[in-house]
Amino acid sequence: QSALTQPPSASGSPGQSVTISCSGTSSDVGNYNYVSWYQQNPGKAPKVLIYEVSQRPSGVPDRFSGSKSGNTASLTVSGLQAEDEADYYCSSYAGSNNLIFGGGTKLTVL
Amino acid sequence: EVHLVESGGGLVKPGGSLRLSCAASRFTFSSYNMNWVRQAPGKGLEWVSSISGSGSYIYYSDSVKGRFTISRDNAKNSLYLRMNSLRVEDTAIYYCARDGGTSGGRDFYFDYWGQGTLVTVSS
Repeated sequence: QSALTQPPSASGSPGQSVTISCSGTSSDVGNYNYVSWYQQNPGKAPKVLIYEVSQRPSGVPDRFSGSKSGNTASLTVSGLQAEDEADYYCSSYAGSNNLIFGGGTKLTVL
Repeated sequence: EVHLVESGGGLVKPGGSLRLSCAASRFTFSSYNMNWVRQAPGKGLEWVSSISGSGSYIYYSDSVKGRFTISRDNAKNSLYLRMNSLRVEDTAIYYCARDGGTSGGRDFYFDYWGQGTLVTVSS
């Protein structure tokens, strides 16, 4: 299975909204509602932000939201804060008990 | 809060073997599917393997199938990854991660992660 496609970088100013895309195929993102998003700070383990396309674990600010349309999933960060600067990864179930990740997006808060 | 601590990483020559361990605490270990996820230096995340709570169901990515073996000891609250025939491209931080699914099912996302252990394959 190929990795999901994410833009290498994204940026926004404090208070703005930024959307990161995650492009897959009809065999993964388009076929299952098992899309999740992770935030990773340098030298740290990833942290889940979104699961099942749009569900937020307890403790994750509602500034983070997820959606899906066709074969593309999206993570939107509203009201950008300096602490949101990190790497973001999407993942999707790809059938046959396989799970794939995107290549990651580095979010810069200007 | 859930606690996962990996160990066993290190430097190994190509073709060599290594066994990673993950000690779990503060949750009912046997009730959850567990996973290994790796990250090559400066690269993205890659799912490696998954094991059901009972250990009966085991899955591998194509990149490690036939070389790696995942296992668990629920009495010891521990997860393992035996890695054989290691290649340079297996160099990565290996994370132990809990599947977020409840009731023993997989939900295909990882709600808790360990801090990772670095495996370096080099001659």
